[in-house]
Amino acid sequence: DVVMTQSPLSLPVTLGQPASISCRSSQSLVYSDGNTYLNWFQQRPGQSPRRLIYKVSNRDSGVPDRFSGSGSGTDFTLKISRVEAEDVGVYYCMQGTHWMHTFGQGTKLEIK
Amino acid sequence: EVQLLESGGGLEQPGGSLRLSCAASGFTFSSYSMSWVRQVPGKGLEWVSTIGKKGTIIYYADSVKGRFTISRDNPKNTLCLQMNSLRVEDTAVYYCVKGGPAGARESDYWGQGTLVTVSS
Repeated sequence: DVVMTQSPLSLPVTLGQPASISCRSSQSLVYSDGNTYLNWFQQRPGQSPRRLIYKVSNRDSGVPDRFSGSGSGTDFTLKISRVEAEDVGVYYCMQGTHWMHTFGQGTKLEIK
Repeated sequence: EVQLLESGGGLEQPGGSLRLSCAASGFTFSSYSMSWVRQVPGKGLEWVSTIGKKGTIIYYADSVKGRFTISRDNPKNTLCLQMNSLRVEDTAVYYCVKGGPAGARESDYWGQGTLVTVSS
């Protein structure tokens, strides 16, 4: 299985400051159709995961533009330009290129 | 609005069986692959199984292969997971997850989850 490694696992951030989460895969996530199926999910406390970003950098409808995704191959990043209180939760990267689809361990974002 | 409503979770003894269901609405169910993903409370996410839109393509995680069976009823907009030979390590919240345009690779919407507890 493809191993997804996130860092950091804990991310204390001051309100209004930027935040960045790294996600690295053990294999290239470029699929045979040329797309890279790397998604980012947010799980707020007590809620189900919500997709924020798909195919590396495409923001889902309703997701604030302070969230952005980037990367290629095996190295990916989720950035929040200015953290707000509602951003508290756990963030997961997920690869959909290889079966079995796999998730990173999760990064817990908290407000300092 | 996409809605996915899971049911069927509960407490079961090791070796027992449970059947989870997911009632889907707000989209054309027969046009999308569907999956089950589980999460041990307080822990990370694990993909369990995926079924294609026609039900002919099916994938299972090695941890459940031979014990779990995924199925779908397109006219009834329902996804199911038959769980047999349950183990303590199957204890988790089970989420029903909708695929995107490229199938499970782009899974987008998740249900609220149903808790399965396997314990003697």
